[in-house]
Amino acid sequence: SAVISQKPSRDICQRGTSLTIQCQVDSQVTMMFWYRQQPGQSLTLIATANQGSEATYESGFVIDKFPISRPNLTFSTLTVSNMSPEDSSIYLCSARDGEADTGELFFGEGSRLTVL
Amino acid sequence: GQNIDQPTEMTATEGAIVQINCTYQTSGFNGLFWYQQHAGEAPTFLSYNVLDGLEEKGRFSSFLSRSKGYSYLLLKELQMKDSASYLCSPMDSNYQLIWGAGTKLIIKP
Repeated sequence: SAVISQKPSRDICQRGTSLTIQCQVDSQVTMMFWYRQQPGQSLTLIATANQGSEATYESGFVIDKFPISRPNLTFSTLTVSNMSPEDSSIYLCSARDGEADTGELFFGEGSRLTVL
Repeated sequence: GQNIDQPTEMTATEGAIVQINCTYQTSGFNGLFWYQQHAGEAPTFLSYNVLDGLEEKGRFSSFLSRSKGYSYLLLKELQMKDSASYLCSPMDSNYQLIWGAGTKLIIKP
């Protein structure tokens, strides 16, 4: 099973600033995903991070606000740009083990962002 | 549309058995996952069903009926550490996981 390390684990940010969250997987994975989760709410997929190409964003999320990098098969970053209090949430990196589309998802520990 | 229906909250007693039901509607189907999520933590994988029937793994079992769009998670010999949210997540035709808010399970002594 893949082990995913995410940092920072938490941060308090000022309105209008940007923060980059890093996600490191201990093995090569084909699929990496970024989610957002408000307390007590469901996971919301932001985008799929594709190695060597642009990320694929879900409805309601755009690259200018959430730029994503995926330089190799073990690493990805998500930047939350020009933050507002509405961006306060837990951001989760996840990866699908191996190359099977039906493999289980593993999650990082999450990054809890509070925007003042 | 795609949706998931689970009870918002359930309460059970330590040592007892609890069944968490889930009904779903998806565009296509490529299996269903159950995840456990403790408060403030990331979800962790519990089970995956793609064929009809019961999958048993220790104290946890998961059942799937594809024709009914129905699954359940059965937890036996409940322990206090089982207090968590349980997320039923079907996978659609694009291999995307569909997430609901989950069922918050409260275990009482």
